[in-house]
Amino acid sequence: DVKVTQSSRYLVKRTGEKVFLECVQDMDHENMFWYRQDPGLGLRLIYFSYDVKMKEKGDIPEGYSVSREKKERFSLILESASTNQTSMYLCASSFGLDTGELFFGEGSRLTVL
Amino acid sequence: AQKVTQAQTEISVVEKEDVTLDCVYETRDTTYYLFWYKQPPSGELVFLIRRNSFDEQNEISGRYSWNFQKSTSSFNFTITASQVVDSAVYFCALRSATDSWGKLQFGAGTQVVVTP
Repeated sequence: DVKVTQSSRYLVKRTGEKVFLECVQDMDHENMFWYRQDPGLGLRLIYFSYDVKMKEKGDIPEGYSVSREKKERFSLILESASTNQTSMYLCASSFGLDTGELFFGEGSRLTVL
Repeated sequence: AQKVTQAQTEISVVEKEDVTLDCVYETRDTTYYLFWYKQPPSGELVFLIRRNSFDEQNEISGRYSWNFQKSTSSFNFTITASQVVDSAVYFCALRSATDSWGKLQFGAGTQVVVTP
């Protein structure tokens, strides 16, 4: 069974802390994505990666960075968390040249106090 | 710019009623893909359907059906004889065929609540 696993379902952090959200997929997918989900706004793309060590900004990259050192792992980093980054974060992956079906993890709900 | 609009924030129905979720999209591309995803309370979005812009045939899968109309830029989703397990947030999404990386533009989602 295909799987996208996010390391933490719930996190509570303080303003200014550095936060790492980890995502691992076992499908040998080329593409990986980080979205954030907020009520009334749907899912918005933060960053994506189409290959190891490659990354591209999505629609809302400010305040975030990413790392992809291995094909199966894609990390989202909040260098200095702020309260407006309280959200649900969703990781997804897909085949490189496929027509775009995404496979999602269960999400990480981050609260920044 | 691409945009997906799901005007219905929440729909509440009683079990066995039909429910239709609206999705209107905007794109300048002639080739594109449309998707519906389901997000149950567990949080993981689940793929339901993909449609390309050249295929306007309606599709039925069990209790689910989709009505794609390019003339109105709509891709509506109907659940027939709803069940409690259908309670979820449903997202419509759009992807341009020229986008090699499979980025999806999502709508805001529609919360469906099915009560017994």
